[in-house]
Amino acid sequence: SQQGEEDPQALSIQEGENATMNCSYKTSINNLQWYRQNSGRGLVHLILIRSNEREKHSGRLRVTLDTSKKSSSLLITASRAADTATYFCARGSGNEKLTFGTGTRLTIIP
Amino acid sequence: GAVVSQHPSRVICKSGTSVKIECRSLDFQATTMFWYRQFPKQSLMLMATSNEGSKATYEQGVEKDKFLINHASLTLSTLTVTSAHPEDSSFYICSAREAGRSGGETQYFGPGTRLLVL
Repeated sequence: SQQGEEDPQALSIQEGENATMNCSYKTSINNLQWYRQNSGRGLVHLILIRSNEREKHSGRLRVTLDTSKKSSSLLITASRAADTATYFCARGSGNEKLTFGTGTRLTIIP
Repeated sequence: GAVVSQHPSRVICKSGTSVKIECRSLDFQATTMFWYRQFPKQSLMLMATSNEGSKATYEQGVEKDKFLINHASLTLSTLTVTSAHPEDSSFYICSAREAGRSGGETQYFGPGTRLLVL
């Protein structure tokens, strides 16, 4: 499959805890992007990290990229109930297309 | 900024009818729009890439005569599901890339259209 794999498939944590999701891919990338999808809705872009970058921050989000291991992780700190959603990583390979991973369903327990 | 709308948000139709879904970039121009399909609790699968003023590029396995795409302007792309059948029932999502923006790899997504074919 050309899709990336995300791990775990589902994650439930208590509000206030940190949540970490991982994404692995098989082919080379130009960039890797993380998106959030609330149930039955469209996707919201969270953060983009380019292949020559190793770490990026945006508010409570921290993304790392290890191109040697072909993996990325998304860390959400101090989680809130509103963070409950499905999180997707997407590979950008320079030809405009994005290839989405399988997603991690995150549930924040109040 | 970078808002993408889709219409309708939900449609129910009879088998054999055609359904048109619109995707609009509201506050930017998009030379390229993408159409995805998503089954429940699954990932997004790219169906086709829509370029303004030219024919769409379809992914392998997607029937171009079944899923007609028209990108007539820099702010509008339409997807028509022709002779819809129950197996076409799905969540269809469009996205758009901003034209001419340096480093514009980000895609902005519409809210999706849920199609149910009876």
